[in-house]
Amino acid sequence: DSGVTQTPKHLITATGQRVTLRCSPRSGDLSVYWYQQSLDQGLQFLIQYYNGEERAKGNILERFSAQQFPDLHSELNLSSLELGDSALYFCASSAQQGSSTGELFFGEGSRLTVL
Amino acid sequence: AQSVTQPDIHITVSEGASLELRCNYSYGATPYLFWYVQSPGQGLQLLLKYFSGDTLVQGIKGFEAEFKRSQSSFNLRKPSVHWSDAAEYFCAVGSLYGNKLVFGAGTILRVKS
Repeated sequence: DSGVTQTPKHLITATGQRVTLRCSPRSGDLSVYWYQQSLDQGLQFLIQYYNGEERAKGNILERFSAQQFPDLHSELNLSSLELGDSALYFCASSAQQGSSTGELFFGEGSRLTVL
Repeated sequence: AQSVTQPDIHITVSEGASLELRCNYSYGATPYLFWYVQSPGQGLQLLLKYFSGDTLVQGIKGFEAEFKRSQSSFNLRKPSVHWSDAAEYFCAVGSLYGNKLVFGAGTILRVKS
């Protein structure tokens, strides 16, 4: 158990809909990262937050957004969903920005299926 | 920009045989290197990491990896594979004060009895 909690574990929705994925980082971790894992793209970095502020952006679509709340949990919002958004979405956390150890701790992921 | 190449998409080994998974990275500065393992339906678990010092690092579950700067490689090894090692393995590169890890495409390990 990494200490990172993601909900829901599975989600099935229709094209055009909007969903929210939630992540609670390890206790004390200030940085949260979102990754998307799909068969054709592999593990892609989406976005990072540190103590409530956006710190880095990767291959995140404009239809997607995220935020980190004062209690450090984070949400990833996916809107106008398309079939190609079906993927496993991982949240990871680390102790501080970048972390001097560089190590990320991953949750078990939220599997999104868009029909 | 950082990048990681895992040349082997699938590898099949017999139980008890030795294993080597290849990883090559591209990074301009001193890299932080990681190997993660993902079992079906699970998240990613850290096997081992390299930051500096001894280029041969030991990890969990009997895995080790060797950093070779001249070859830009960080190959993962295990002397004797167990059926429970069947999973997908990811090599990743990061940096001191970096904001993210960049992952390779992964290598799926199958273990035959």
